[in-house]
Amino acid sequence: EAEVAQSPRYKITEKSQAVAFWCDPISGHATLYWYRQILGQGPELLVQFQDESVVDDSQLPKDRFSAERLKGVDSTLKIQPAELGDSAMYLCASSLRVAGSTDTQYFGPGTRLTVL
Amino acid sequence: QKEVEQNSGPLSVPEGAIASLNCTYSDRGSQSFFWYRQYSGKSPELIMFIYSNGDKEDGRFTAQLNKASQYVSLLIRDSQPSDSATYLCAVMGTGRRALTFGSGTRLQVQP
Repeated sequence: EAEVAQSPRYKITEKSQAVAFWCDPISGHATLYWYRQILGQGPELLVQFQDESVVDDSQLPKDRFSAERLKGVDSTLKIQPAELGDSAMYLCASSLRVAGSTDTQYFGPGTRLTVL
Repeated sequence: QKEVEQNSGPLSVPEGAIASLNCTYSDRGSQSFFWYRQYSGKSPELIMFIYSNGDKEDGRFTAQLNKASQYVSLLIRDSQPSDSATYLCAVMGTGRRALTFGSGTRLQVQP
């Protein structure tokens, strides 16, 4: 069964350091999402890609966060510098956008970030 | 007012009972509604989605949607201890394919 891949699964870093997360969506899925989930809350969208283009990054803290999907396949999310409040689970999801059907998102295993 | 609201719980039910999880949303133009299950420390796992008013059944799970009342629910029949998890309600709004999630309801099924 096809799955969304993410790495690393866990990351511990000190504040002010740079961190990067990687996501490989399900093969053929044109839409890729990065969500952040703080403990006890639901996931919140950071950025959405359609192929290699950013569709929505309105909630991405652009002073420290960046995301790219250069060839429209895998994606990298970067934080520089990390702050204590960035400690969360970073989730990648992908969906197969088919006209006339419900766009179902499938999540990867996530990256648990701890900022010390 | 949050866009998607869920009771945080915990909702405790005995094994074999029906668990009823509820969700309300504020965007009247919302088109599709999803239920995800999330075990502690894991990522959300899709249970089912619904986009038409009424009921939709999949095994032990039934999703119910009432767009006039802006209300969606998930029923779990014959609840098992393995169903103990947090259940996230997610809404796909008008012209926006990203999901807006509630904070989740924690379900505990007592053996």
